[in-house]
Amino acid sequence: AQSVTQLGSHVSVSEGALVLLRCNYSSSVPPYLFWYVQYPNQGLQLLLKYTSAATLVKGINGFEAEFKKSETSFHLTKPSAHMSDAAEYFCAVTQPGANNLFFGTGTRLTVIP
Amino acid sequence: SAVISQKPSRDICQRGTSLTIQCQVDSQVTMMFWYRQQPGQSLTLIATANQGSEATYESGFVIDKFPISRPNLTFSTLTVSNMSPEDSSIYLCSVDGGTKNIQYFGAGTRLSVL
Repeated sequence: AQSVTQLGSHVSVSEGALVLLRCNYSSSVPPYLFWYVQYPNQGLQLLLKYTSAATLVKGINGFEAEFKKSETSFHLTKPSAHMSDAAEYFCAVTQPGANNLFFGTGTRLTVIP
Repeated sequence: SAVISQKPSRDICQRGTSLTIQCQVDSQVTMMFWYRQQPGQSLTLIATANQGSEATYESGFVIDKFPISRPNLTFSTLTVSNMSPEDSSIYLCSVDGGTKNIQYFGAGTRLSVL
């Protein structure tokens, strides 16, 4: 069975501050992990993915995430928040060869001017 | 990445009616997926649709309520049948990205049932 837990349904940061969105996963096999972003009234956009290559993954818009097997974590970070980063962020897990993505409950990021 | 178009983008429907949502992708894909995102919640997979075969439904979803068609490699429809207010959700189509389990999503259909 696979699942992800996103700690903090709402995160607020000041513009220019560090963004840290937490994701912990559970998987009986080596996982593939993803971060998606959903802007208001839009669908999901893939931010970045971990598929068993480098553990530090860089994505679009300056985001990155690090796969830490010992901590079963895949936290999303960005050094400096921008107003345009305000959105809902979803962590998802699957296993190689599987079809189903299991999503976390999402974290809504607010950026304060 | 694939470009996915969903229609309608939103609709308001009456209880007891049905709505068919269309999903069109700009390239041929093996698998298409339908998700539901209930208000304030995450995405839940409804079913996986492969061309030329019956859709595979996840636990809690049945074909009578959510019939799916997949007539070719670029198109699929999801029907929400005999709707009730509990069906008010965002319905999203996604497609297999062809590598490493990546999925690409449409913008979704925002459904409100009165």
